Amino acid sequence: DTAVSQTPKYLVTQMGNDKSIKCEQNLGHDTMYWYKQDSKKFLKIMFSYNNKELIINETVPNRFSPKSPDKAHLNLHINSLELGDSAVYFCASSHNPRRYTEAFFGQGTRLTVV
Amino acid sequence: GQQLNQSPQSMFIQEGEDVSMNCTSSSIFNTWLWYKQDPGEGPVLLIALYKAGELTSNGRLTAQFGITRKDSFLNISASIPSDVGIYFCAGLVGGATNKLIFGTGTLLAVQP
Repeated sequence: DTAVSQTPKYLVTQMGNDKSIKCEQNLGHDTMYWYKQDSKKFLKIMFSYNNKELIINETVPNRFSPKSPDKAHLNLHINSLELGDSAVYFCASSHNPRRYTEAFFGQGTRLTVV
Repeated sequence: GQQLNQSPQSMFIQEGEDVSMNCTSSSIFNTWLWYKQDPGEGPVLLIALYKAGELTSNGRLTAQFGITRKDSFLNISASIPSDVGIYFCAGLVGGATNKLIFGTGTLLAVQP
């Protein structure tokens, strides 16, 4: 059983399109995160939700909107995709914000905007 | 903003060699973490350090939390081909959100 699963694994789309990436965790964790890894492999947090509430919102364009329908899911919707959005997006989860060291990462979604 | 610089950027070594990499910050962190990322996978936690000066081992891996709390080191002894990957340090910004700041990564290649 996959602990943190993301879909799709690969996503190729044209500029201007709107797309969503889904994330689910079956670990019973309260906190979920979205990270972006750029072409230089630099990992940067984008959002964090704890029990469906937004607790971290980094300086991310408002074209990016996370949605957490329940604490096991955190989806990422991106409007009006731009070339610079091409990256690998990782979802992660942990018991709660204070137990971050036990965070588990998904396999990533490689987004390519053409 | 806070940044973590890792060195070296990449290493190409022979199987059996020992490896050292480090991470430095302009800010103090109260927790340092080391992750490994295999190709096509997400980062996996290797070692967590919670106190300045702490030295912790996990098999062939040993990491230290610098006394100044602005740096950390990771050593891998007797490297094997499956050690290949990108190693990231990360510092934990405390408080209610516990945000992780990742380092720039060290790419390790091991030749059999």
